[in-house]
Amino acid sequence: DQQVKQNSPSLSVQEGRISILNCDYTNSMFDYFLWYKKYPAEGPTFLISISSIKDKNEDGRFTVFLNKSAKHLSLHIVPSQPGDSAVYFCAASAGGTSYGKLTFGQGTILTVHP
Amino acid sequence: EAEVAQSPRYKITEKSQAVAFWCDPISGHATLYWYRQILGQGPELLVQFQDESVVDDSQLPKDRFSAERLKGVDSTLKIQPAELGDSAMYLCASSGDFTGELFFGEGSRLTVL
Repeated sequence: DQQVKQNSPSLSVQEGRISILNCDYTNSMFDYFLWYKKYPAEGPTFLISISSIKDKNEDGRFTVFLNKSAKHLSLHIVPSQPGDSAVYFCAASAGGTSYGKLTFGQGTILTVHP
Repeated sequence: EAEVAQSPRYKITEKSQAVAFWCDPISGHATLYWYRQILGQGPELLVQFQDESVVDDSQLPKDRFSAERLKGVDSTLKIQPAELGDSAMYLCASSGDFTGELFFGEGSRLTVL
């Protein structure tokens, strides 16, 4: 039972263009969503998050959109840079003492070509 | 910048042997997590500590896995006996607040032969 799904295993974009990574979830109890980035041989690093009371959160080149009715979130990277090439994980939690109990998607490999 | 330290980075063992992983969280972080990441999948939570107490170990295979954080600082995850299906990256993370913004270590990659 995969509660968080990233249906695109990989995404390839040109430098300077927009990267859009998608994530779907099934558990209605999830109320906090995060994106993590992972380079090879390193642990995941936190990128950006959004609470269920919002539908958009922006941090520099990164914007996360949440559509609660569709149980869908997306990460937009504009403009994309070669250094953004990494695996991106979507994660969700149900809040309370479960904030750190993250349910992760399978990840999407982003490749940004110069 | 403070980091979560893990050791060993790589471990190769034969099945039925015992293995142990160590984690030192960021100083002052009360909450510590062990996650397991199988190749091609996202990390899955094994155990969560708040100080020295276990908060959640519902996904920890307790017949062979054990975890402890005796003094509420560093932590050890043990597997005995190791099985082929235990081959994975074992990630430790810590958090200083009640958000999902976890700080992960570089992980310990286990290969069971």
